[in-house]
Amino acid sequence: DGGITQSPKYLFRKEGQNVTLSCEQNLNHDAMYWYRQDPGQGLRLIYYSQIVNDFQKGDIAEGYSVSREKKESFPLTVTSAQKNPTAFYLCASSITVQGGNQPQHFGDGTRLSIL
Amino acid sequence: AQSVTQLGSHVSVSEGALVLLRCNYSSSVPPYLFWYVQYPNQGLQLLLKYTSAATLVKGINGFEAEFKKSETSFHLTKPSAHMSDAAEYFCAVSLNYGGSQGNLIFGKGTKLSVKP
Repeated sequence: DGGITQSPKYLFRKEGQNVTLSCEQNLNHDAMYWYRQDPGQGLRLIYYSQIVNDFQKGDIAEGYSVSREKKESFPLTVTSAQKNPTAFYLCASSITVQGGNQPQHFGDGTRLSIL
Repeated sequence: AQSVTQLGSHVSVSEGALVLLRCNYSSSVPPYLFWYVQYPNQGLQLLLKYTSAATLVKGINGFEAEFKKSETSFHLTKPSAHMSDAAEYFCAVSLNYGGSQGNLIFGKGTKLSVKP
């Protein structure tokens, strides 16, 4: 079955450490997204990529970095510059951004906690 | 700028009662609107979407939503709640112009509780 796979499901970070969250999709979608979810805050966009080898900052990109070297992969690195990284991170993809009417499909998330 | 407001962070209904979750949007252009459901520790699942066809949109699990331009609303309803409907629900509007086309703006979510 096609879908989005996020790993790991749970991740712990020590102070000063960078960690990378994996997101892989086999839906052949062009666009991919990373969101951060905090209780009562809804979803906030960190980074998005509309095509391979291109990505754009979202609303809360500080302290995060991404790459898009392959169509199916969009890993997110939470750097030590992100002072409050504890959150639930969701990856999503959509067929295309053209027209803006395509729904996004979500993975099951990674929960990141500070040790 | 486009935005979404969900009225009520928590809604509680009895099993078998009507479910009504409210969503109002702000958009300077005709919007595309979505409702998603999230169960604990899972991702979001698409319930339904409005993309300028019929104003009454039917989705999965018996949910439907009506687009009302005059009220800038897209409320989600279900005639009879089931225990399995307990989850968090998110309304979202899609940016349909410019370089951020396709990006979603989410409301803060409404947690639905269903009492037996």
